[in-house]
Amino acid sequence: KNEVEQSPQNLTAQEGEFITINCSYSVGISALHWLQQHPGGGIVSLFMLSSGKKKHGRLIATINIQEKHSSLHITASHPRDSAVYICAVNPWETSGSRLTFGEGTQLTVNP
Amino acid sequence: DGGITQSPKYLFRKEGQNVTLSCEQNLNHDAMYWYRQDPGQGLRLIYYSQIVNDFQKGDIAEGYSVSREKKESFPLTVTSAQKNPTAFYLCASSRDRENEQYFGPGTRLTVT
Repeated sequence: KNEVEQSPQNLTAQEGEFITINCSYSVGISALHWLQQHPGGGIVSLFMLSSGKKKHGRLIATINIQEKHSSLHITASHPRDSAVYICAVNPWETSGSRLTFGEGTQLTVNP
Repeated sequence: DGGITQSPKYLFRKEGQNVTLSCEQNLNHDAMYWYRQDPGQGLRLIYYSQIVNDFQKGDIAEGYSVSREKKESFPLTVTSAQKNPTAFYLCASSRDRENEQYFGPGTRLTVT
């Protein structure tokens, strides 16, 4: 079993829909990251959070440390949001120096 | 513009040849990382360096080597000992080990 599990693996939505991607992890962490990977392969860091909630534009990330769970929400989705969304954590056991990654969620938003 | 550059974007090599992938950053970051990505799998850590002249093996270091002679540069050599070298390779850096990582555009290596 992976230390970081994402669901769903694939998600198709219509433009304008509210989207939620989930991430569960099984180890103690110092931080959790949400990353976005576009078809060309480049990766962009969306959020780094260790508690509570962060918002940037139409993106919202939440984390519940007690439940070891995080969600990424996209409001008013748009075709340009189509990408792979990756959850990653900094496990305490590595002193925060390394990331452990989920396998990613492929999101497709249709016009 | 600050950022991370990787070159080349696509690289083709014959089996049995060593190949070096370039990674340069002008963000003044101390920590640098090399990851490998295969279809349907999460990123896996090959090597990382938290400071110049020091680096540690990641989860899949066999068949790879690195150097960190300068703060801004962290080249990765894929040796002939790496059994399945064809993959997408991503370099990243962070201010220190506990901060968010910034990723380069990646190099897609194909070995035939």
